[in-house]
Amino acid sequence: DAGVIQSPRHEVTEMGQEVTLRCKPISGHNSLFWYRQTMMRGLELLIYFNNNVPIDDSGMPEDRFSAKMPNASFSTLKIQPSEPRDSAVYFCASSPGGNSYNSPLHFGNGTRLTVT
Amino acid sequence: AQKVTQAQTEISVVEKEDVTLDCVYETRDTTYYLFWYKQPPSGELVFLIRRNSFDEQNEISGRYSWNFQKSTSSFNFTITASQVVDSAVYFCARRNRDDKIIFGKGTRLHILP
Repeated sequence: DAGVIQSPRHEVTEMGQEVTLRCKPISGHNSLFWYRQTMMRGLELLIYFNNNVPIDDSGMPEDRFSAKMPNASFSTLKIQPSEPRDSAVYFCASSPGGNSYNSPLHFGNGTRLTVT
Repeated sequence: AQKVTQAQTEISVVEKEDVTLDCVYETRDTTYYLFWYKQPPSGELVFLIRRNSFDEQNEISGRYSWNFQKSTSSFNFTITASQVVDSAVYFCARRNRDDKIIFGKGTRLHILP
């Protein structure tokens, strides 16, 4: 099993540019989560999906952030326009979901985003 | 909000000492799950243990042990005979039936040689 795959590993962009982060969950996992990690705020849940449907996006900071999951094997997190305060490590995680809410999350290696 | 609190922001101990990382959680649910994750300096998040709310048995895995006390809403993690490789940030997390997983802010553990 390849695990959760995120790309890119590092992204440096200028303020105002659009940024797209990508995630491929573990095959067969029905739940997908996007987290943001900063020193000040720790690990924050941004949004999660069950069976490709967004269930809770209350953690999305503002309208500049959007997430999609067009199919079971792919999700994107987009920031448009990006700002320096968006600089963080963004993690994607997946789990079996459904009634398997006792299952741990399996995390990708994260995308380190720097907005200058 | 139903929080997970890790009151210890940073801990430093000398190698071979025992160290306990505290975790206190809030929840209104009767069914929930608790987790510990490790984030070494390389940055990945590694799952360590899961415990459900109906199982208050303590667990030991090598030098690691976990103490779950429902009465005090605590799920503490002890490393015995610590090693330098244990240096990392450790996160406690809670998952309810609504599927959301909420993490504490983490405890940064330094094991000094």
